[in-house]
Amino acid sequence: EAGVAQSPRYKIIEKRQSVAFWCNPISGHATLYWYQQILGQGPKLLIQFQNNGVVDDSQLPKDRFSAERLKGVDSTLKIQPAKLEDSAVYLCASSVKTQETQYFGPGTRLLVL
Amino acid sequence: AQKITQTQPGMFVQEKEAVTLDCTYDTSDPSYGLFWYKQPSSGEMIFLIYQGSYDQQNATEGRYSLNFQKARKSANLVISASQLGDSAMYFCAAYQGGKLIFGQGTELSVKP
Repeated sequence: EAGVAQSPRYKIIEKRQSVAFWCNPISGHATLYWYQQILGQGPKLLIQFQNNGVVDDSQLPKDRFSAERLKGVDSTLKIQPAKLEDSAVYLCASSVKTQETQYFGPGTRLLVL
Repeated sequence: AQKITQTQPGMFVQEKEAVTLDCTYDTSDPSYGLFWYKQPSSGEMIFLIYQGSYDQQNATEGRYSLNFQKARKSANLVISASQLGDSAMYFCAAYQGGKLIFGQGTELSVKP
């Protein structure tokens, strides 16, 4: 069974530029999550989708971050404009349904200069 | 609110020995589950083991086992026969209000 796919794996941009990350969850997983992990910390949930609907985006900085999962399968997370403090690893995860085991992708390491 | 505490920022273990990574949690929910993940330097979070609060026995998965003490609200991960490839960050996590809450992590280094 294929795992969670993410791209790109690495991205370097300058502040005020925009960037987008892509995630394809495990087939059949209805729930998809985006996390931000700052160096030295545990992951922090940014947004959770159930199929193509948003379940929780309370910790998403909506002035600059946006995410969508239009067809209920793959998802895109965008940052526009990026700030220095957005430098982090962005992890995508999926689960069969909410409150079950989450399986993570390899992550995207973002560096904002 | 759920809070996950991992008090060991870093641990060392000799290859082939066993090691215990501590995790305590704080929840008022009557039913809950606890997860352990491994994060190597490559960055991927790898699911290791799950313990449900109503499970009668401690969870085991290969060399990983969970020392679950419900009354003390602790869910320590035991890794037996450590291998060099076990060197990584280890995170304890639990759901709270639909969100998976992570501890700060413990960095494990396995020495040859």
